[in-house]
Amino acid sequence: NAGVMQNPRHLVRRRGQEARLRCSPMKGHSHVYWYRQLPEEGLKFMVYLQKENIIDESGMPKERFSAEFPKEGPSILRIQQVVRGDSAAYFCASSPQVLEGNEQFFGPGTRLTVL
Amino acid sequence: AQSVTQLGSHVSVSEGALVLLRCNYSSSVPPYLFWYVQYPNQGLQLLLKYTTGATLVKGINGFEAEFKKSETSFHLTKPSAHMSDAAEYFCAVSDKAAGNKLTFGGGTRVLVKP
Repeated sequence: NAGVMQNPRHLVRRRGQEARLRCSPMKGHSHVYWYRQLPEEGLKFMVYLQKENIIDESGMPKERFSAEFPKEGPSILRIQQVVRGDSAAYFCASSPQVLEGNEQFFGPGTRLTVL
Repeated sequence: AQSVTQLGSHVSVSEGALVLLRCNYSSSVPPYLFWYVQYPNQGLQLLLKYTTGATLVKGINGFEAEFKKSETSFHLTKPSAHMSDAAEYFCAVSDKAAGNKLTFGGGTRVLVKP
């Protein structure tokens, strides 16, 4: 059973470009979470999605950031008009269902560098 | 709102010595607590978790943690450090009311000296 997959592993963008980060959850997992790890900081929650629904986006910046988890295909975190402050590691995690105490399984992350 | 504090952003231990990483949490409801480990340029791997029941929890790689409600703590220990334990460790609390999203501490980077 393959783990959570994220691609690309490394992404370089110039200021003003768009960044698309993909996450394929573990097989059978319908819940996806995105976290951001800024340099020298811990991980911060961004958004929680189920298939075709955004459940909690309280950690998403109000502008330029969006996320989706379509019925078919991976979850996408999209950052429009990137700025240097978006440089970070973005981690996706998945869970089979939201039972109390369920662990989340993390992907290897996408490291975004904005030039 | 929940929060997690990890005391000490960096810890240095000698190989074979005790590893002790401190974690204190704040939660208005009984918490679910987790310790994750992150090796360089990799994702997070679950070491152990506390949900209910026994307050001393054993995890992988010889780690264990004890939930102390009175102290709002969930410290991680390993009796004898190994070189392969060099990594960053994150304590986290789960928000049951919000789909189990995790709130992380700032992390503790462990250096193991030979």
